[in-house]
Amino acid sequence: DTAVSQTPKYLVTQMGNDKSIKCEQNLGHDTMYWYKQDSKKFLKIMFSYNNKELIINETVPNRFSPKSPDKAHLNLHINSLELGDSAVYFCASSQRGADNEQFFGPGTRLTVL
Amino acid sequence: GDSVTQMEGPVTLSEEAFLTINCTYTATGYPSLFWYVQYPGEGLQLLLKATKADDKGSNKGFEATYRKETTSFHLEKGSVQVSDSAVYFCALSDRSNTGKLIFGQGTTLQVKP
Repeated sequence: DTAVSQTPKYLVTQMGNDKSIKCEQNLGHDTMYWYKQDSKKFLKIMFSYNNKELIINETVPNRFSPKSPDKAHLNLHINSLELGDSAVYFCASSQRGADNEQFFGPGTRLTVL
Repeated sequence: GDSVTQMEGPVTLSEEAFLTINCTYTATGYPSLFWYVQYPGEGLQLLLKATKADDKGSNKGFEATYRKETTSFHLEKGSVQVSDSAVYFCALSDRSNTGKLIFGQGTTLQVKP
């Protein structure tokens, strides 16, 4: 009964490849997020969707493209991977209006070689 | 823009010692404030929250009080355990429609037996 799940947990790939990370939440929330955690543990918002509509798009290279097929899923596709994309990517969800308490997935550790 | 500043880590304590991790914020309006904890190799878990001035959030022996006059939300615990070793993040949510969380840089706590 995992609340927010991500796949894969680990992703190792070569520079220049295209990869996707999937996220699903079974909490019935209407808002989902992607955060990036760098090697110094710093967390920064990348994207947010509310009811499948993009509401946050921070300064992120356009090689990163989120897709939300429905309220329960938010996937992240990355084109032409670069060394600097190596990080841990966290998905989160919340219900708008509920003090914005966000529930996080376990993270996907991406390593670009 | 809004920001969160935490005390530098790592913080190393002996078991049963008193813990304080300082957190101050800059925000327009009245944000909600959160402490999240990240255990090694895991995602973030909400530890406690406060949504208005003078609110005290508490959970698992941890406490933090929303101090509007000093724009602070310091985390405290009276007696730490080895199992409390983790990275602690202070965060704010600006109550805008985006609902994004802005995190501090994280403070690593190591508790020794």
